[in-house]
Amino acid sequence: QKEVEQDPGPLSVPEGAIVSLNCTYSNSAFQYFMWYRQYSRKGPELLMYTYSSGNKEDGRFTAQVDKSSKYISLFIRDSQPSDSATYLCAMRGNTGFQKLVFGTGTRLLVSP
Amino acid sequence: GAGVSQSPRYKVAKRGQDVALRCDPISGHVSLFWYQQALGQGPEFLTYFQNEAQLDKSGLPSDRFFAERPEGSVSTLKIQRTQQEDSAVYLCASSLKIAENTGELFFGEGSRLTVL
Repeated sequence: QKEVEQDPGPLSVPEGAIVSLNCTYSNSAFQYFMWYRQYSRKGPELLMYTYSSGNKEDGRFTAQVDKSSKYISLFIRDSQPSDSATYLCAMRGNTGFQKLVFGTGTRLLVSP
Repeated sequence: GAGVSQSPRYKVAKRGQDVALRCDPISGHVSLFWYQQALGQGPEFLTYFQNEAQLDKSGLPSDRFFAERPEGSVSTLKIQRTQQEDSAVYLCASSLKIAENTGELFFGEGSRLTVL
């Protein structure tokens, strides 16, 4: 079993929909949680960064972390065709050097 | 430079050939990482440099993989005697801070290696 599980999709939604993307994890030592967006044939770019549990909002994006359930979510409001990409969750611990562990990524398709 | 630059963007190698992939991080970035991304998968950690010191190479799949960053800036990932299973996108990322602290990773566009 992988440390981080993520549904690969694809997830297809119409423009304007609310999108929910999720990851589960098994390592209770993870403290930093991130969401990266990756367009085709490009490198990942950081969207959201959260430490420990709670919510964080940035424009149309909201990240949630529930450490008790080992479950993290990314919500996208008013989705746009330009949001079509692969969304990768990533996480790490906070003692010493901790490598980032990524999920497999969920491919999102937003149709006009 | 403005971002992390990787070259070549695409590389086709015959099985058994050696390849070298170059990463030019953002100027002044202390930390440099190499990740391997297989088709349909998320990036998997290969190795980490803090300046010129390679502090973690636990993700390198075999002794055919070697990475260096001799002057603490440009890094090279070398793969000897390439095998088909080495086919993947190799991503380089850099960060202003040392990896023990929080800090955003800036990724390059990757080098796509295909081994025939």
